[in-house]
Amino acid sequence: IAGITQAPTSQILAAGRRMTLRCTQDMRHNAMYWYRQDLGLGLRLIHYSNTAGTTGKGEVPDGYSVSRANTDDFPLTLASAVPSQTSVYFCASSIIAGGADTQYFGPGTRLTVL
Amino acid sequence: AQTVTQSQPEMSVQEAETVTLSCTYDTSESDYYLFWYKQPPSRQMILVIRQEAYKQQNATENRFSVNFQKAAKSFSLKISDSQLGDAAMYFCAYRPPSGGSQGNLIFGKGTKLSVKP
Repeated sequence: IAGITQAPTSQILAAGRRMTLRCTQDMRHNAMYWYRQDLGLGLRLIHYSNTAGTTGKGEVPDGYSVSRANTDDFPLTLASAVPSQTSVYFCASSIIAGGADTQYFGPGTRLTVL
Repeated sequence: AQTVTQSQPEMSVQEAETVTLSCTYDTSESDYYLFWYKQPPSRQMILVIRQEAYKQQNATENRFSVNFQKAAKSFSLKISDSQLGDAAMYFCAYRPPSGGSQGNLIFGKGTKLSVKP
């Protein structure tokens, strides 16, 4: 069982380019999340999905879009990357939205936008 | 809106000693969940311990325990017999009850723990 995988591990991107960060989980979890981690700010929610076919905006959604066509995959797209999107991106999942169940995290993607 | 505050950006502890990391939060909910996550240099987020707000008993997991003060909205983490492998960033996180529109974790900004040999 792999848990949550993210790709790529790291990426350097020119400003203005389009980029999709991939996230796949094999735990059949209903809920999935994208966070960004910036030094001194902790992790902040970008978008979430409580179940396949639905998505919602988190705290910092501007410049990002997501889709949830099936249970396993939750890609994050930067339509036109800007330097302020330089960050470490974590995908996470849980059985349900909310509650005490563990939220599992992927290994993260380090993105640098120049 | 719920917020989580970790007032100690950095902490240091001697190996085998005990250290306490502070966390306070703000919420109008009566039922919620609290977590401590550890992030070592590998970047992986690892769940350390969780606490359900309706439980008065403090959660413990081996050398890790919490002091949950619901009225004070305080949720500190105590690490006993500190080991070199405990060196990491520690994040306190809040989560609303099931059925909310968002089930995400709300994180504090983290405390960097160093362990001295």
